[in-house]
Amino acid sequence: SQQGEEDPQALSIQEGENATMNCSYKTSINNLQWYRQNSGRGLVHLILIRSNEREKHSGRLRVTLDTSKKSSSLLITASRAADTASYFCATPPTTSGTYKYIFGTGTRLKVLA
Amino acid sequence: ETGVTQSPTHLIKTRGQQVTLRCSSQSGHNTVSWYQQALGQGPQFIFQYYREEENGRGNFPPRFSGLQFPNYSSELNVNALELDDSALYLCASSLSNIGGRNEQYFGPGTRLTVT
Repeated sequence: SQQGEEDPQALSIQEGENATMNCSYKTSINNLQWYRQNSGRGLVHLILIRSNEREKHSGRLRVTLDTSKKSSSLLITASRAADTASYFCATPPTTSGTYKYIFGTGTRLKVLA
Repeated sequence: ETGVTQSPTHLIKTRGQQVTLRCSSQSGHNTVSWYQQALGQGPQFIFQYYREEENGRGNFPPRFSGLQFPNYSSELNVNALELDDSALYLCASSLSNIGGRNEQYFGPGTRLTVT
């Protein structure tokens, strides 16, 4: 079963615009991570936000975490054509004895030049 | 580049056959996780190895098995291949499995096609 669910499933924007993707999860977590995947290749780690953090920045990326709503958002500012990819959130549930990362279904972002 | 390598890149097998996929973890990482990613889906956790022992398993049948070696590299073995096993198989290495507090670094994946 999917722990995280990204929303929207697909997003198409013009270059220079901002892109916002959301992730909801079900169980308590220690941290939440966002990954990017280009066209069926390996996943690239973008950013990790810990459960005691509310916001984190990395370059053009801004991630927020609301543990009370069990949700996170990823904002990509001033998007570029190279940002075209699928974006996934991943959570390692804190359930005892469980160390697996559970990925959402992903948001497919297309940035039009 | 994450330093995690996987081989082979692509593989075509026939239903009923067996396959072995390999992963070399990033230097210093002691934990390797394997994921299956079907087309258009997110990665699904298969299992994780920590210091040569299986440590956590997802909802996959026993014909999916693995090994981790003393140098922390790992193998994924799939027996009695089925058409639904066609997918991208990803391995990820990390420094520690404790509470998932450390980032995972993914390899480029092995694309398996079962005909």
